[in-house]
Amino acid sequence: GAVVSQHPSWVICKSGTSVKIECRSLDFQATTMFWYRQFPKQSLMLMATSNEGSKATYEQGVEKDKFLINHASLTLSTLTVTSAHPEDSSFYICSARDGSALTDTQYFGPGTRLTVL
Amino acid sequence: AQTVTQSQPEMSVQEAETVTLSCTYDTSESDYYLFWYKQPPSRQMILVIRQEAYKQQNATENRFSVNFQKAAKSFSLKISDSQLGDAAMYFCAYSGGLMYSGGGADGLTFGKGTHLIIQP
Repeated sequence: GAVVSQHPSWVICKSGTSVKIECRSLDFQATTMFWYRQFPKQSLMLMATSNEGSKATYEQGVEKDKFLINHASLTLSTLTVTSAHPEDSSFYICSARDGSALTDTQYFGPGTRLTVL
Repeated sequence: AQTVTQSQPEMSVQEAETVTLSCTYDTSESDYYLFWYKQPPSRQMILVIRQEAYKQQNATENRFSVNFQKAAKSFSLKISDSQLGDAAMYFCAYSGGLMYSGGGADGLTFGKGTHLIIQP
């Protein structure tokens, strides 16, 4: 099956610094990738949709200047949390769309736990 | 905007028994896709089953089946012969998309989840 990786799996940073999270589709090309955020014991909330080579589309209430998304290639999307603060601490999950699959499925990465001190 | 509601925060079932998880949704679209995802303690999201709204036949995947009631906007998941490995959070999710488009193009709207406990 299709595999999506995320790096790092866990990151701790100081308040005010920026953190970059990578999402890679390992064995398929993903024209579309999605970024979700999950607070403890809560559901996943869609943050943004990124299409290769174009600007990301952010959901209402998500600060585009704070959560920078770049989808530079068909296998890599990055999420940069700029000037991170403790309230940004969360679990960030990406998914990648395999449009070539018979069922056009989104595959999820294992997630990245961000802790801001 | 679409909404997905899971009214059961937690469910418990004896091993080998059958359990049904409920999900209702609200949408004004006629074409869409519905999913059940499993999230074990590792937090890796695993697709359990998907249903295309244009299909009347309920989807099945081995021990997992759904009861899709389009008019009632209901999409429940039945797990038969429950196993210890089924213990996890289960999320119902919605995706827009034209008929036959596949449903992978839009981001997912998730319900709040149901924590399934399997009693040995």
